Amino acid sequence: AQSVTQLDSQVPVFEEAPVELRCNYSSSVSVYLFWYVQYPNQGLQLLLKYLSGSTLVESINGFEAEFNKSQTSFHLRKPSVHISDTAEYFCAVSLDTGRRALTFGSGTRLQVQP
Amino acid sequence: GAGVSQTPSNKVTEKGKYVELRCDPISGHTALYWYRQSLGQGPEFLIYFQGTGAADDSGLPNDRFFAVRPEGSVSTLKIQRTERGDSAVYLCASSRDISYEQYFGPGTRLTVT
Repeated sequence: AQSVTQLDSQVPVFEEAPVELRCNYSSSVSVYLFWYVQYPNQGLQLLLKYLSGSTLVESINGFEAEFNKSQTSFHLRKPSVHISDTAEYFCAVSLDTGRRALTFGSGTRLQVQP
Repeated sequence: GAGVSQTPSNKVTEKGKYVELRCDPISGHTALYWYRQSLGQGPEFLIYFQGTGAADDSGLPNDRFFAVRPEGSVSTLKIQRTERGDSAVYLCASSRDISYEQYFGPGTRLTVT
């Protein structure tokens, strides 16, 4: 079975500062990797995903994540955050074949302060 | 187009009662998933459908939980003899098929008193 660990439950950061949200996973088989974001009072939205190919993936709003197979990590980064990035961020994995149900981490609350 | 919708948005029920939670997936999406999110946790998988059949129900916590999708579109999650520990946000997601990304609904917040 797969598992996902997000070590930081909360990350406070000042506006325009860089941020990294950490995600490590465990799986005995190949997986797909995802970051979802949940803004206050909204549903989960897919931020970015790694399925295959380039290990660096980017979102349209400046986030990026790099798949590191040797370290089983998929950390999320942004060089300069905005107040509007304040949200809960969830890392998730799924098998790359058959059952595609997502296994989520416990989430990291990003709090951007002015 | 319309996203995944879930009704009701909030449901308060007494311990021991029966509840039904409804999910309307994106039109044309064949795969449908149910997850449960407890306070301070990430969503946990409950069950998924490919078409009308439950392809994997390994996440259902016990036999009080049941879900159906009779016509391959709308799905209903049914909980019998509710317990306070069932209180959570129940999320539904759909995807074009199992190979594609999942789109989540806003969830139903269930409170068992």
